Amino acid sequence: GNSVTQMEGPVTLSEEAFLTINCTYTATGYPSLFWYVQYPGEGLQLLLKATKADDKGSNKGFEATYRKETTSFHLEKGSVQVSDSAVYFCALSDRAGGGADGLTFGKGTHLIIQP
Amino acid sequence: NAGVTQTPKFQVLKTGQSMTLQCAQDMNHNSMYWYRQDPGMGLRLIYYSASEGTTDKGEVPNGYNVSRLNKREFSLRLESAAPSQTSVYFCASRAGRETGQPQHFGDGTRLSIL
Repeated sequence: GNSVTQMEGPVTLSEEAFLTINCTYTATGYPSLFWYVQYPGEGLQLLLKATKADDKGSNKGFEATYRKETTSFHLEKGSVQVSDSAVYFCALSDRAGGGADGLTFGKGTHLIIQP
Repeated sequence: NAGVTQTPKFQVLKTGQSMTLQCAQDMNHNSMYWYRQDPGMGLRLIYYSASEGTTDKGEVPNGYNVSRLNKREFSLRLESAAPSQTSVYFCASRAGRETGQPQHFGDGTRLSIL
């Protein structure tokens, strides 16, 4: 079956630090990959996505590259801000093998940015 | 603003009570989903509806039923609530079934079962 593994937090950084949140996956077919962000008391918002190998998704200074050879989709940002404090979810979508038509999520990484 | 609307936002039930969580989207999406979010577990798929008139089980369907009332609305019912169903429930939708299309989420329903 499909699965997503991401580093669990909380991850605490100082403002302007470099951020990496690791994400690796296993999938039956050739999945699409996503990063979602959840702010306190809110639903999930799409942050970025990639649909094929070597694609780079980017948004709001965040980037992630679809690495098929290492089955990874690590999230990076060069200089984090306090407003980036949230929970980040890595997820995949893969319907190969007739599986359920939904997203498979990692457990989430709680990111805390200190001023 | 266009999006996914869930009602209610909060609910407290007693064990054995029933209730229905409502979800509506105004983006003319074909597919709709129900997830539950538990601490340290990420989100897990309960049921989904690939199109109007169809529903299918996800990873954790036991204790739940769903109804795709029309293209806009997809409800989740707990017939006899149990404390293990205490969770945050999210509804989502997406335009079609292509894996590259993202899902759009509501703000969630926080449900406590006493």
